[in-house]
Amino acid sequence: DGGITQSPKYLFRKEGQNVTLSCEQNLNHDAMYWYRQDPGQGLRLIYYSQIVNDFQKGDIAEGYSVSREKKESFPLTVTSAQKNPTAFYLCASSIEGSANTGELFFGEGSRLTVL
Amino acid sequence: GENVEQHPSTLSVQEGDSAVIKCTYSDSASNYFPWYKQELGKGPQLIIDIRSNVGEKKDQRIAVTLNKTAKHFSLHITETQPEDSAVYFCAALSNAGGTSYGKLTFGQGTILTVHP
Repeated sequence: DGGITQSPKYLFRKEGQNVTLSCEQNLNHDAMYWYRQDPGQGLRLIYYSQIVNDFQKGDIAEGYSVSREKKESFPLTVTSAQKNPTAFYLCASSIEGSANTGELFFGEGSRLTVL
Repeated sequence: GENVEQHPSTLSVQEGDSAVIKCTYSDSASNYFPWYKQELGKGPQLIIDIRSNVGEKKDQRIAVTLNKTAKHFSLHITETQPEDSAVYFCAALSNAGGTSYGKLTFGQGTILTVHP
């Protein structure tokens, strides 16, 4: 079945450590996105990529980094510079980079807890 | 930039009742308004959307209305069922700083609970 796969589902990290969250899609979508979800704050955009080898900062990019070397993969690294990294992270994709076609397809998320 | 406010944050109804969730947006240039449903432990899923050239759209028990003048839009669920229990997010699509990228800004979410 086509879809978006995020891994790991749960991740624990010690303060000061970098961690990378995986996102893979087999929908042949051009655009991919990373959102952070915190209680009562909705979904906030971290980074997005409209096409391979290109990505842009979203609203809360500080302390995060991404790469887009392959169309189907968009990993997110949460660095030690991110002051409050404990959150639920959602990866999404859309057919076009402009998102004007509307629908975002989301993965099932990765819950990161910093100990 | 765009700002989307969503109310209420929690909503509890009895099975068979109607549920209404409201959102307001700030950018009058926003032109696309989707609603997403997030079930426990899963990612959000699109359930209905509306573009700025229409005022209402229905899909079975779900409807969305848009008032461009007042800059608000609402989700209406009729004959609610326990499986409607989830978190619902509204969003508005606006142009991101003059680029060609259309940026989705999400509301804060509404936790809907339907009691049998």
